[in-house]
Amino acid sequence: AQSVTQLGSHVSVSEGALVLLRCNYSSSVPPYLFWYVQYPNQGLQLLLKYTSAATLVKGINGFEAEFKKSETSFHLTKPSAHMSDAAEYFCAVSDDYKLSFGAGTTVTVRA
Amino acid sequence: DSGVTQTPKHLITATGQRVTLRCSPRSGDLSVYWYQQSLDQGLQFLIQYYNGEERAKGNILERFSAQQFPDLHSELNLSSLELGDSALYFCASSPQAGQGASYEQYFGPGTRLTVT
Repeated sequence: AQSVTQLGSHVSVSEGALVLLRCNYSSSVPPYLFWYVQYPNQGLQLLLKYTSAATLVKGINGFEAEFKKSETSFHLTKPSAHMSDAAEYFCAVSDDYKLSFGAGTTVTVRA
Repeated sequence: DSGVTQTPKHLITATGQRVTLRCSPRSGDLSVYWYQQSLDQGLQFLIQYYNGEERAKGNILERFSAQQFPDLHSELNLSSLELGDSALYFCASSPQAGQGASYEQYFGPGTRLTVT
């Protein structure tokens, strides 16, 4: 079975600072990886996905993620945090017929 | 707006009762997934349907069941409810389904179930 582990359940950044959310995957086959964001009292919104076409994936709202096979990682970054980025972020891997999600990382943005 | 709709948004019911959650997938999507999100378990896959047929089962209790109708909408039935069933229930859809699929899933806004 495929799985992902998100390092850090909570990240606090200043507005304008770099956002870095860590995700490591475990997969016996080339994985399909995803990042989702969940704003308070809302559903999950797809930020970006990796399907082996390119190792650097650009998503919505200025986010991007880099697939590193040697490190089994798929970390999410945004160069400059905005107050509207405050949310919970989930890394996920396609696992058989479903998505397997990490535990999530809550991002707080300080003014 | 993902195009996936779920009703109701909120549901409050008592232990031992039965409820039905409804989901309409995005136009053209054949596959529907149900997930449960709780504080202690995180996001857990429950069950998947593809074009009316059950395709995969996850951590779904025997008290829970689901179906997908010819118009592709899906219902999740939860019976003999317990306090621990209180959670957010999400429906998601994707165009197709397959083992190790690259298809992203589009999530609805969820139904918040509170069992008292």
